[in-house]
Order: sequence, then C-alpha cells, then structure tokens
Amino acid sequence: SQTIHQWPATLVQPVGSPLSLECTVEGTSNPNLYWYRQAAGRGLQLLFYSVGIGQISSEVPQNLSASRPQDRQFILSSKKLLLSDSGFYLCAWSSGLGSYEQYFGPGTRLTVT
Amino acid sequence: KQEVTQIPAALSVPEGENLVLNCSFTDSAIYNLQWFRQDPGKGLTSLLLIQSSQREQTSGRLNASLDKSSGRSTLYIAASQPGDSATYLCAATGFQKLVFGTGTRLLVSP
Repeated sequence: SQTIHQWPATLVQPVGSPLSLECTVEGTSNPNLYWYRQAAGRGLQLLFYSVGIGQISSEVPQNLSASRPQDRQFILSSKKLLLSDSGFYLCAWSSGLGSYEQYFGPGTRLTVT
Repeated sequence: KQEVTQIPAALSVPEGENLVLNCSFTDSAIYNLQWFRQDPGKGLTSLLLIQSSQREQTSGRLNASLDKSSGRSTLYIAASQPGDSATYLCAATGFQKLVFGTGTRLLVSP
C-alpha cells in the first residue's frame, strides 16, 4: 500500500531563516506531487505541483520554492522566511492517471517568529 | 477561475441525527469532486470521490452526490456519531489540480 511521509511535524523558525520541508511517498511510481498551505482561518491553497522529476509548476508567486530531486521526494524551501509563511503545510500525491484522487500526508506546522 | 463554496461553515447536532453538508462550484468542467475529513492539527483523509460521469458514491454511513449542471455536491451523513466531529472539505478537480472549499466544521454531541 502507498504511504506518504512529511517531516518535520512541527517547526518554529525566526524571520529571515531558511526553510526545508520534505515529503516522500512509498509504494507507487511516478506520482504527481503537491504542496499546499493552510493558513489559520483560511482554506487550502495549492503552492506547487510536480508531474515528474525536475518538473515544478508554481501556483502562487511568493518567496517559497519547490524541488523534486527524486521520483518520490518533494521538497519545499525558502531562503528567508517571512511572518506570513506561518501555517500548516501539506504534501499530497496522486497517481496522475484516471481519477486524479489525491492522498495527503500528516502535515508540518510551521510557526515563524 | 474555479471557486468552491461550502455551506454551512459550522454545524452542531445531537448524536443520531442525519445531516447534509453542501458544496457548490462555479465551473462545471471538473474531472471529479472529492470529499475529505480533517481532524484538528491533522492532515486530510479522503472520504469519497465522485467521478464527473457519476451521480453519487456511498461508503458506510456516508453518501455523496454530484450534480455538475447545477454546480453542486452534497455529503449526507446518516446516524451521526461524536466520532464524526471534524472539518469536512470538498474539492473540485480540474486538470491535475484541486480547488478546495473553506470547509464545514461539524460537532456531534453525545
């Protein structure tokens, strides 16, 4: 069966510090991968998605970036965090074929102080 | 641009009641409609997915319907239980991307 992992689970970082969040998927090949952010009191916002290694599509201009160095690994990064980057970050995958049903990881709670 | 709205924003019911959560979307050109459950501080759990060619899907006490022509989906929960307390999110799928509603926060009291 397929499993999706995210780490760290929680993170507290000062403004201006770098960020690296990691997501890995097991039990499937060539998945579509997604990063979402859920800010307090707001809905889920799609940040990036990837249909293959090295292929990244950005949905919202911001100071975040994403990379996919391996088939089942998706990384969210920032060089300098802003207060507005605080939120709950969720990674998801889909098979990329047929129904496009998405499956979510446990999330990372980021607090920028 | 797809927009998804969920009504009501919050709902409180006594245990045992049947209830309906509503989801509406502005662009009927969707691949599917997915319903999720989110517990506080947790990720999303997929409950039901309705393909664009389908009218409804059922899983246990849950039944979801889809009417693309009117841009609406409903999630029916039968015989609600305290363990059903959570936020329920619907999402409309375009080409490889989901657009989420802001959710309905459900509280089922014993």
